[in-house]
Amino acid sequence: EDQVTQSPEALRLQEGESSSLNCSYTVSGLRGLFWYRQDPGKGPEFLFTLYSAGEEKEKERLKATLTKKESFLHITAPKPEDSATYLCAVQGGNSGSARQLTFGSGTQLTVLP
Amino acid sequence: NAGVTQTPKFQVLKTGQSMTLQCAQDMNHEYMSWYRQDPGMGLRLIHYSVGAGITDQGEVPNGYNVSRSTTEDFPLRLLSAAPSQTSVYFCASTRGGSNYGYTFGSGTRLTVV
Repeated sequence: EDQVTQSPEALRLQEGESSSLNCSYTVSGLRGLFWYRQDPGKGPEFLFTLYSAGEEKEKERLKATLTKKESFLHITAPKPEDSATYLCAVQGGNSGSARQLTFGSGTQLTVLP
Repeated sequence: NAGVTQTPKFQVLKTGQSMTLQCAQDMNHEYMSWYRQDPGMGLRLIHYSVGAGITDQGEVPNGYNVSRSTTEDFPLRLLSAAPSQTSVYFCASTRGGSNYGYTFGSGTRLTVV
C-alpha cells in the first residue's frame, strides 16, 4: 500500500524567510511524485511532477527535489501570496492503468508580511 | 476553456436523501476521478474512470455510484446520504501519459444532517 507523510502540518514564515516542506513516501515502483497547491475553498492546483531520484524542478520561488524516500519543496524568499496548503501525492506501480494518486494530508503554509 | 466544472458548490442533505454531484470537463481527458477531502486525512479516491463506459472503485467507494456515458461527464451519486459523507468532494481529470498532473474542479461542500 502506498503511503505519503507530509511535515510539518503547519508552517509560519516571515516574508523573505526561506524554508522547506517535506514529503516522505513509500511506494511500490514510483511512477511519479506530484506537488499541488491548494488555496482555501478551491481545488488543488498542479505544480510539479518528479519521476526519478535526483530530479529537480523550479517554478518562481518554488523548487522541488526528489530522493528515493522523500521529496522537498523549497520556498525561497516567500511572499504572502505563497500562503496556501501544499499537497504531495505519489503514483505507484500498482495504480495500473488508472494512474491513481495517493495524497498526503498537506502542509499549511502561512507567510506573514 | 472552462477546465473541470463541478456543481453544486454547496449542498445540505438530510440523512437518507439521495443526490448527484455533477462533474464535466472540456479538455477531452480520458481519466476522471472523484476524491473526498476530510480534515487531517488528505484526499481519498472514491471512484475513477479510464474512459467512457469504464469505471472502477477507489479507496472509499461505499455509498457512492458513478457512471461515464460520455468522455466529458462523470457524475457521482450518493445513494442514501449519511453524516459520515459530510465532506468536500473534488472531481479531477487528466489526459493519457504520465507527464500531466490531474486538473481539479473547485469542489462541492456537502453537509449531511
